[in-house]
Amino acid sequence: QQQVKQSPQSLIVQKGGISIINCAYENTAFDYFPWYQQFPGKGPALLIAIRPDVSEKKEGRFTISFNKSAKQFSLHIMDSQPGDSATYFCAARHTGNQFYFGTGTSLTVIP
Amino acid sequence: DAGVIQSPRHEVTEMGQEVTLRCKPISGHNSLFWYRQTMMRGLELLIYFNNNVPIDDSGMPEDRFSAKMPNASFSTLKIQPSEPRDSAVYFCASSWGVNTEAFFGQGTRLTVV
Repeated sequence: QQQVKQSPQSLIVQKGGISIINCAYENTAFDYFPWYQQFPGKGPALLIAIRPDVSEKKEGRFTISFNKSAKQFSLHIMDSQPGDSATYFCAARHTGNQFYFGTGTSLTVIP
Repeated sequence: DAGVIQSPRHEVTEMGQEVTLRCKPISGHNSLFWYRQTMMRGLELLIYFNNNVPIDDSGMPEDRFSAKMPNASFSTLKIQPSEPRDSAVYFCASSWGVNTEAFFGQGTRLTVV
């Protein structure tokens, strides 16, 4: 059973455009929602994270929007750049400290 | 800090052989996770240790898989016997306590032929 559902599976965006990746969850015991970025041949690395008591968090060009009532959260990448091309994973942490990941979104930013 | 260190980076083995993957977590971290990544299923949590004790191994697919953490600085994931469907990238990650992020190693790409 997939604890965190992520969409789309792949995304192609023009340079300068906005990339949007969505995730949804059901378990209300999740208390921390990070996004990870993974480049080929590397492990996932933390990009940005949010806690459920906050509706939005922005770090540079990256923004998480969080809707607690809908159990949904999304990553927005503003002014997308070719260097942003990677696979992005949303995740949710259970209060027992287990992390559950979405299936990933392969982002390609076209110059 | 060198980060989470995994070895080997690549492993090719024949079906039926025993495979051992190794992980050294970040010093001071007390939680360790093993994940398997495939195109079909994404990142799957296999097992989670806290203070060297297995807390949740419900993600371990079969009895052929076993994991140990004999001390705070070392963990192994063993597959015996290995099968072609075990081919995947296996990641180890560590974190410290609650409310902290998980740091991933570079992964071990396992190919069972």
